[in-house]
Amino acid sequence: EAGVTQFPSHSVIEKGQTVTLRCDPISGHDNLYWYRRVMGKEIKFLLHFVKESKQDESGMPNNRFLAERTGGTYSTLKVQPAELEDSGVYFCASSKRTENSPLHFGNGTRLTVT
Amino acid sequence: AQKITQTQPGMFVQEKEAVTLDCTYDTSDPSYGLFWYKQPSSGEMIFLIYQGSYDQQNATEGRYSLNFQKARKSANLVISASQLGDSAMYFCAMRESRDDKIIFGKGTRLHILP
Repeated sequence: EAGVTQFPSHSVIEKGQTVTLRCDPISGHDNLYWYRRVMGKEIKFLLHFVKESKQDESGMPNNRFLAERTGGTYSTLKVQPAELEDSGVYFCASSKRTENSPLHFGNGTRLTVT
Repeated sequence: AQKITQTQPGMFVQEKEAVTLDCTYDTSDPSYGLFWYKQPSSGEMIFLIYQGSYDQQNATEGRYSLNFQKARKSANLVISASQLGDSAMYFCAMRESRDDKIIFGKGTRLHILP
């Protein structure tokens, strides 16, 4: 089966610009998560979709971040306007809705805001 | 509130020795799952092993085993006969059944010495 894919792999933008990250989960995975890792620090939870619904968005830093999951398939994470502290690696992961189902991660999008 | 603690930011181990990576957790949910992931320098997140809170036996996957001590709320990863390719960041993670939210510890960077 195809894995979780993320696009783009890298993005360099200027402060104040907009960037949209995309994640295509594994087919049939209802759970979709977004995480961020900043400067080698911990992997911080951003939000969790179950199908098209936001189950938990407690980790979203502020209203400059908007996540959607159209039709319960792919997801986008938009940052508008981007700030310097938004730089980091954004990981998307998906899983089945069973207790022992592990997260399958994408390769991440490395975002650099200059 | 959930919490995952990995107290070892870095470890150096001689090749072929066994290594134990520590992980403690805190949750009030009686049903939860614990995961370990490996992140090599290439950046991808690789699922290693899973332990459910109600599992009676410690999980094992090849050279990986999970030393699950429920009363102590610890879920240490044991790697037997370490290899140079085991050098990577290792993350412990927990999922609570009530919300499917998965959070990660800060990670341990493991260096295997030849």
